[in-house]
Amino acid sequence: SQQGEEDPQALSIQEGENATMNCSYKTSINNLQWYRQNSGRGLVHLILIRSNEREKHSGRLRVTLDTSKKSSSLLITASRAADTASYFCATFPIDTGRRALTFGSGTRLQVQP
Amino acid sequence: EAGVAQSPRYKIIEKRQSVAFWCNPISGHATLYWYQQILGQGPKLLIQFQNNGVVDDSQLPKDRFSAERLKGVDSTLKIQPAKLEDSAVYLCASSKNPGLAGGSREQYFGPGTRLTVT
Repeated sequence: SQQGEEDPQALSIQEGENATMNCSYKTSINNLQWYRQNSGRGLVHLILIRSNEREKHSGRLRVTLDTSKKSSSLLITASRAADTASYFCATFPIDTGRRALTFGSGTRLQVQP
Repeated sequence: EAGVAQSPRYKIIEKRQSVAFWCNPISGHATLYWYQQILGQGPKLLIQFQNNGVVDDSQLPKDRFSAERLKGVDSTLKIQPAKLEDSAVYLCASSKNPGLAGGSREQYFGPGTRLTVT
């Protein structure tokens, strides 16, 4: 599988519920980033978590990182219809020789009003 | 501040034709990226520039794709000749110089160019 695989591929919830998306990766990383993409605003950076950090918050977003399991999760609390979008994790590996982000295939989130 | 600008927004061409995309990054951003995003997939890096030098072009199909960044600001991506499988959204992004730790900073994306090859 690819570096940075999101799970689930699709998620449908009701407004007000929490949404959790997971990302697994294979190589050691410098940092991991989450992006959102919808038709209205394109691809937008949400949050960056460094390899020496375990948890980070930004508004209704909470990101965790477990480098021993090579996994991350993105939690969106009290979801809104406007959160409907695709969410991608992107990793910056440190032992592949490449100096570039690698994106996963994304989780498509649908928030029902 | 102004965001990343791209043009055109949409392009339809026939296979074997050529096409060019233009990108103007955020002012002061030294690093510029071109990504290809096929429907249902995440963006795939084609080429990364640091100022006007190429940092990574390992996934650029060099037999048909070319890119340049003159004077370290604007960039163009060209496809010649196009194939059906080149149908995708081409995204340009920019970021500030990497931090002291060397890791990639957050990237700012343009609206993309949707290319359809028939």
